[in-house]
Amino acid sequence: GAGVSQSPSNKVTEKGKDVELRCDPISGHTALYWYRQRLGQGLEFLIYFQGNSAPDKSGLPSDRFSAERTGESVSTLTIQRTQQEDSAVYLCASSQDGHSNQPQHFGDGTRLSIL
Amino acid sequence: AQSVAQPEDQVNVAEGNPLTVKCTYSVSGNPYLFWYVQYPNRGLQFLLKYITGDNLVKGSYGFEAEFNKSQTSFHLKKPSALVSDSALYFCAVRLHSGSARQLTFGSGTQLTVLP
Repeated sequence: GAGVSQSPSNKVTEKGKDVELRCDPISGHTALYWYRQRLGQGLEFLIYFQGNSAPDKSGLPSDRFSAERTGESVSTLTIQRTQQEDSAVYLCASSQDGHSNQPQHFGDGTRLSIL
Repeated sequence: AQSVAQPEDQVNVAEGNPLTVKCTYSVSGNPYLFWYVQYPNRGLQFLLKYITGDNLVKGSYGFEAEFNKSQTSFHLKKPSALVSDSALYFCAVRLHSGSARQLTFGSGTQLTVLP
């Protein structure tokens, strides 16, 4: 597709369950980012991939959060043993490469609700 | 460390009037600055960026922003607002160099254009 695609668009799950969120970046984009957006707040950086490597994982809030990227394409963000405070919109973005002057292109996000 | 402040949570303006959405930043180095817009239940859309050179940057949908180094500001402007401009606007900053590749976002400003 032409843009960044995220799935599912909405996810409702019970506290304690694991969830996987998927991101398909724009074809050819080597840099990929995950952000979290809590209701009424700005974006919180989670992790950055350059190719399949993650040189910056500094934003992951706890060891329950992990992410991987394969084939320099699809990325999966996994949250284990979900907690209610994990409820948020998770946004993925990609850019052509990791240069600082390039804009990031965002998907529409996955809205995660933990019951 | 880098940070962005958007001092106004909410800006209201009448259709046809000029609009300004304020942003100030703090970085220890030269910044790249960005504006994004977010419509309900959508991801962020890139509007414009400042890299270097001319302090007045023109972007999508008639928006422009002025980089002011002495005041560390990057306010978003539009000469004549449209009702369809109503959305959530985010300012973001990144350093020219260093290992950090993520954008640091402000908390967002909700713009409402009244008919």
